[in-house]
Amino acid sequence: QKEVEQDPGPLSVPEGAIVSLNCTYSNSAFQYFMWYRQYSRKGPELLMYTYSSGNKEDGRFTAQVDKSSKYISLFIRDSQPSDSATYLCAMSVWSEGGSEKLVFGKGTKLTVNP
Amino acid sequence: ETGVTQTPRHLVMGMTNKKSLKCEQHLGHNAMYWYKQSAKKPLELMFVYNFKEQTENNSVPSRFSPECPNSSHLFLHLHTLQPEDSALYLCASSQFPGELFFGEGSRLTVL
Repeated sequence: QKEVEQDPGPLSVPEGAIVSLNCTYSNSAFQYFMWYRQYSRKGPELLMYTYSSGNKEDGRFTAQVDKSSKYISLFIRDSQPSDSATYLCAMSVWSEGGSEKLVFGKGTKLTVNP
Repeated sequence: ETGVTQTPRHLVMGMTNKKSLKCEQHLGHNAMYWYKQSAKKPLELMFVYNFKEQTENNSVPSRFSPECPNSSHLFLHLHTLQPEDSALYLCASSQFPGELFFGEGSRLTVL
């Protein structure tokens, strides 16, 4: 079983739709959970960051973490064509030796159609 | 300039060439990374430097050679690459766990 599973899509939705992006993971030691957004021909940029179970909201974006189910989600409300990008989930854990293990999902390609 | 800057943005090289990728960060971060991004694969961590010291080498072939002369600059020296090494090479820096700031990447094509 891979440490992080993410459906690569592609996902196509109409403008204004609510988008749900998801990742599952197998390593219960993960402490930090991130969502990155990557536009075409650009590097990924950090979108959301959380380290606890529950919801974190930032504008139209909500990140949800369920540690008991090892499941994280990113919701986008009132999606816009400018949200069209690849969304990568990532999660990390720090070892006792002080090094970080950061694992990315494959990314889900989202297209929002006007 | 701000953020993380990578040069060149595009590189085409033959299998016998030697080239280098350069990364510069203007964020004052302590850690710098090289990642490889290939189609339909997760980001692959190649090298990590903390305070100029290499802390991770993720079983990367020796034809990739990193260099970190100071905490703001990171190089990836390339020699005798294979066509399967064609990919987007991303540099990143960070100060806190999981909060990576990426450059725009260097698109490498090996003929």
